[in-house]
Amino acid sequence: EPEVTQTPSHQVTQMGQEVILRCVPISNHLYFYWYRQILGQKVEFLVSFYNNEISEKSEIFDDQFSVERPDGSNFTLKIRSTKLEDSAMYFCASSALTYEQYFGPGTRLTVT
Amino acid sequence: QKEVEQNSGPLSVPEGAIASLNCTYSDRGSQSFFWYRQYSGKSPELIMFIYSNGDKEDGRFTAQLNKASQYVSLLIRDSQPSDSATYLCAVNSGGGADGLTFGKGTHLIIQP
Repeated sequence: EPEVTQTPSHQVTQMGQEVILRCVPISNHLYFYWYRQILGQKVEFLVSFYNNEISEKSEIFDDQFSVERPDGSNFTLKIRSTKLEDSAMYFCASSALTYEQYFGPGTRLTVT
Repeated sequence: QKEVEQNSGPLSVPEGAIASLNCTYSDRGSQSFFWYRQYSGKSPELIMFIYSNGDKEDGRFTAQLNKASQYVSLLIRDSQPSDSATYLCAVNSGGGADGLTFGKGTHLIIQP
């Protein structure tokens, strides 16, 4: 069964450094999303992406975040200058025209 | 501010019994409703979705939606120890690019 994949599974970075989280959505899906979950808290929407542009973004998705689909398979989230409070699980999700969103296994980001 | 409310639990149910999980949402414009299961340290797994008022059954799971009361529920019949997890209710406005608004989840424990 097709699934969303994410790399790396765990990323440790120092405060102020840039990180890029990578995702390969399900191949025939058209909508792509990033979510985060801080430990012990709820899953929070960051951004959605369709037709090579951002469709919707939350208040969390400020200027330090960016997304890109550099080729036909990858979908990336870049955090330009990481802060301690960016430490969280980051989930990529994708959906087809039926809109049910399927999540990848996540990347645990630890900012020290 | 869109809110999704769930009782955090834990909800303890004997094996073989029916587990009943509830969710309310604040945005009357919400059109799509999802239940995800999340095991500790893992990503959300889609188990049910419902778009119309009434009941929707899939195997041991039944989702119930009442838009007038802004209420969604999930019933799990013949509960198994493997059903022990956190169940997340999520809603959106129904568009493909819409991000999901999640509740904090209900921690379900199935007692053997």
